[in-house]
Amino acid sequence: DADVTQTPRNRITKTGKRIMLECSQTKGHDRMYWYRQDPGLGLRLIYYSFDVKDINKGEISDGYSVSRQAQAKFSLSLESAIPNQTALYFCATSDGGLGDQPQHFGDGTRLSIL
Amino acid sequence: QKEVEQNSGPLSVPEGAIASLNCTYSDRGSQSFFWYRQYSGKSPELIMFIYSNGDKEDGRFTAQLNKASQYVSLLIRDSQPSDSATYLCAIINAGGTSYGKLTFGQGTILTVHP
Repeated sequence: DADVTQTPRNRITKTGKRIMLECSQTKGHDRMYWYRQDPGLGLRLIYYSFDVKDINKGEISDGYSVSRQAQAKFSLSLESAIPNQTALYFCATSDGGLGDQPQHFGDGTRLSIL
Repeated sequence: QKEVEQNSGPLSVPEGAIASLNCTYSDRGSQSFFWYRQYSGKSPELIMFIYSNGDKEDGRFTAQLNKASQYVSLLIRDSQPSDSATYLCAIINAGGTSYGKLTFGQGTILTVHP
């Protein structure tokens, strides 16, 4: 089983719909992140959380919200989806110990908004 | 100037050669440096991380860091066709509002031809 699991893996939906992407991890990491990846723009940080009570905006948080339901779960919501949110979305986790620990990525969710 | 810059490539090398991938960064406060490999449609996979000036070797991979010149590189010895992928350079700034966040370069596409 994957250490960082994202659901769904693929989703096609219509403009204006509310969408939730879920991420769960079995690595025991404190820190969790949501990124989107677009061709030519690389990976960009949407939101991140260093523990259950900590939520921080990344560089492109507008139009998104998150919820850290437990140490192991971090969900990303699009309240009213728009076509330019079509992208590949990744969840990542890292250990909150001393020093900068590497991030480990889930398999991604391919989201298409028509 | 972008925070993390990579030549987008594609970089093409023959099988068995050394592939050299370079990354420059703008923030002198950057402390931690990571190289990820990403196959098309897949998630980024951590290859190497380096924190101190100098070289760090792991199998066929060597990461080189020069903080004074603000660059980090990845060498792949005895390149194989299976090394063909996009290589992402990422950094963490240790302080301020960027604490703990990874900033990615655009990635370099590497093609190893038989």
